[in-house]
Amino acid sequence: KNEVEQSPQNLTAQEGEFITINCSYSVGISALHWLQQHPGGGIVSLFMLSSGKKKHGRLIATINIQEKHSSLHITASHPRDSAVYICAVRRSGGGADGLTFGKGTHLIIQP
Amino acid sequence: DAGVTQSPTHLIKTRGQQVTLRCSPISGHKSVSWYQQVLGQGPQFIFQYYEKEERGRGNFPDRFSARQFPNYSSELNVNALLLGDSALYLCASSLLSGRNQPQHFGDGTRLSIL
Repeated sequence: KNEVEQSPQNLTAQEGEFITINCSYSVGISALHWLQQHPGGGIVSLFMLSSGKKKHGRLIATINIQEKHSSLHITASHPRDSAVYICAVRRSGGGADGLTFGKGTHLIIQP
Repeated sequence: DAGVTQSPTHLIKTRGQQVTLRCSPISGHKSVSWYQQVLGQGPQFIFQYYEKEERGRGNFPDRFSARQFPNYSSELNVNALLLGDSALYLCASSLLSGRNQPQHFGDGTRLSIL
């Protein structure tokens, strides 16, 4: 079982819909990252969370440390939101900064 | 300011060859991490370097090595290439090491092994 699990793997929705992507992890963490990857391969950091909730424009990220679960929400979705969304964690306990990634959620927003 | 830059963008090699990939971090960033992303999977951590020293290593064979230069740029070397090394290789930089902070990714080098 992967240490970071995302659901769903694939999601197709209509423009304007409210989108939720979920991430569960099984290790102790010091931070959780949400990232966006476009078809060309480049990755953009959306959020870094260690507790609570963050909002940036139409994107909202929440984390529940006790339940080891995080969600990424997109309000009023738009075709330009189509991308792969990846959850990644930095393990607690010091050591390297290397992140452990989920497999990603492939999101398609249709006009 | 320039973001993280990686070169080359694409590379084709044959089995058994050696390859060197390069990464320039954002100006002022001292930490560089390397990741391998096989098609359809999330990235896997290979190395982290900070102040020219290795700070961490993922579960990769000794054919993979890296170094960081005084200007904080970094090289990833892979020897004796295998078909399974075909992947997108991503570099990420951050200001410091050992604390939570955003990682800034380059666009990657797509390596194909024939």
